[in-house]
Amino acid sequence: GEDVEQSLFLSVREGDSSVINCTYTDSSSTYLYWYKQEPGAGLQLLTYIFSNMDMKQDQRLTVLLNKKDKHLSLRIADTQTGDSAIYFCAENPGTGFQKLVFGTGTRLLVSP
Amino acid sequence: KAGVTQTPRYLIKTRGQQVTLSCSPISGHRSVSWYQQTPGQGLQFLFEYFSETQRNKGNFPGRFSGRQFSNSRSEMNVSTLELGDSALYLCASSPGTGRLNTEAFFGQGTRLTVV
Repeated sequence: GEDVEQSLFLSVREGDSSVINCTYTDSSSTYLYWYKQEPGAGLQLLTYIFSNMDMKQDQRLTVLLNKKDKHLSLRIADTQTGDSAIYFCAENPGTGFQKLVFGTGTRLLVSP
Repeated sequence: KAGVTQTPRYLIKTRGQQVTLSCSPISGHRSVSWYQQTPGQGLQFLFEYFSETQRNKGNFPGRFSGRQFSNSRSEMNVSTLELGDSALYLCASSPGTGRLNTEAFFGQGTRLTVV
């Protein structure tokens, strides 16, 4: 079955790095995503990684994928107060259709 | 290029009523998916429409339905509303086929409150 888990809360200081972790269960997942949700807003696609990759870097964001352990992480370098939001990990079970399975979300709080 | 547009942004309805929500995808995108977000259940997939056909469906009762028009705009309908239907309803737009179908872009959502 499909299940995605995340820790609920992370607190960091401005300028530090943040690492948000996610584990998933569906080994057929072809794409894994990170979305950001600010209060009262929809979901913003941050980045995604194809399952045959180990790492993807996009400016301050680094995604690491350990396919053997089904573990995904998002590292945000030089975290800013504007990065405070809820971050969702999601998997696409690989059916070829847009059916994303989301984690519970990690609330990131960045303090000055 | 305009993003995904959902209307209305907020709705208040009474138990037993029905409601229709609208989603206009990004120009050129042919797939629209709908999700329900609640504090208790998180984000859950409702259904996906592509070229006016439902292509995939989540585990929701038949009170939840949708459709897609020839211009790719989609509507979802919830009949006989229950208090538990109170949620943020999000729609996602994607190309529907091809290499870029890996990306799904979300609208701002419609906040439905059932009283």
